[in-house]
Amino acid sequence: EAQVTQNPRYLITVTGKKLTVTCSQNMNHEYMSWYRQDPGLGLRQIYYSMNVEVTDKGDVPEGYKVSRKEKRNFPLILESPSPNQTSLYFCASKSLNLDTQYFGPGTRLTVL
Amino acid sequence: GQSLEQPSEVTAVEGAIVQINCTYQTSGFYGLSWYQQHDGGAPTFLSYNALDGLEETGRFSSFLSRSDSYGYLLLQELQMKDSASYFCAVGGATNKLIFGTGTLLAVQP
Repeated sequence: EAQVTQNPRYLITVTGKKLTVTCSQNMNHEYMSWYRQDPGLGLRQIYYSMNVEVTDKGDVPEGYKVSRKEKRNFPLILESPSPNQTSLYFCASKSLNLDTQYFGPGTRLTVL
Repeated sequence: GQSLEQPSEVTAVEGAIVQINCTYQTSGFYGLSWYQQHDGGAPTFLSYNALDGLEETGRFSSFLSRSDSYGYLLLQELQMKDSASYFCAVGGATNKLIFGTGTLLAVQP
């Protein structure tokens, strides 16, 4: 089954404790992206990647890191999480020459 | 800067037709997409317009006017399961994807 998976689905952590949210897709998509969703603000792009070893900042990259060492994986790293990073996070992927973006199930992160 | 505007809420009754508008301001416009998101769920792709005109997919249609920087999503024969948030999104020259803040559609019996 074609899908985007994220782990963990739920995470409660404390300020400053490094964490990684994994994202994996099995559709051989070149393009992968991370978004955060907050009430009233819609989906805001954090980082995106157009292929292995190619990453670019989205609209809200501060406080986040990503890496794209393999085509299927695109982890999101919070080196020192803060409460304002409490949010619902979505990973997504798509083929470069198509417009349909597939979203993962989401990760609900709470930073205390 | 880049921005999209869409209504925050729309209410309609079962069986009716509803139109959700989206106006955008962006550089290097490539296309307008629409996504549906049920409460707590992941967004799912509905449609995409790169050229002016109407695209139809079953009960859903999407329209784009590039000269007016405007598009809309048209939902016909509304069903209760259509109650959800609907987002428009634009892609530009940098391959960033900008989403609107979403329109919450409530379908009433």
